Amino acid sequence: AQTVTQSQPEMSVQEAETVTLSCTYDTSESDYYLFWYKQPPSRQMILVIRQEAYKQQNATENRFSVNFQKAAKSFSLKISDSQLGDAAMYFCAYKFNSGAGSYQLTFGKGTKLSVIP
Amino acid sequence: EAGVTQFPSHSVIEKGQTVTLRCDPISGHDNLYWYRRVMGKEIKFLLHFVKESKQDESGMPNNRFLAERTGGTYSTLKVQPAELEDSGVYFCASSQAVMREQYFGPGTRLTVT
Repeated sequence: AQTVTQSQPEMSVQEAETVTLSCTYDTSESDYYLFWYKQPPSRQMILVIRQEAYKQQNATENRFSVNFQKAAKSFSLKISDSQLGDAAMYFCAYKFNSGAGSYQLTFGKGTKLSVIP
Repeated sequence: EAGVTQFPSHSVIEKGQTVTLRCDPISGHDNLYWYRRVMGKEIKFLLHFVKESKQDESGMPNNRFLAERTGGTYSTLKVQPAELEDSGVYFCASSQAVMREQYFGPGTRLTVT
């Protein structure tokens, strides 16, 4: 079974500094997708960044970038120049074809990020 | 464009009662997903609709849960009878195609006492 592990329940970062959130996953699939979702307090979960497993280049979206290590099954998120609005719960997720034609997401437990002014 | 909406935002019911959660996906999104996060646990997949058909319901915990999507628009998730372990946040998501991004609703927090 596919699993996603986020080993850091909580993290904090000083405003303007850089923080890295860890995520590892377990799969026997070769074709899959990885995501980082962000859920601010009392707000909807939104997609931060996605990575296709077949792409060697790490995805980047403005201040957000990933370090995708396929062999190690690691997918960490780096947030540069942290802002107060980055404070949220961050979920790492994995998506694959379950064989039923359904690309369900498998989530980690989440990492709560606090940003210190 | 309106996002995914869910109703109610919070529901408190007693054990043994029935509750119906509603999800309105983004207009034009054929794919609709239900997920659930029980306190302290991961967000877990429940089921996936393509239009009005259940594509994958492998995550549904038991037959006390019934999901419908009449007409391929909004979806309902009924829990009958509710048990204490059903408490959690129920998320709905929709996507234009299975390979496209899933957009999430704000969730419904269900508390069974």
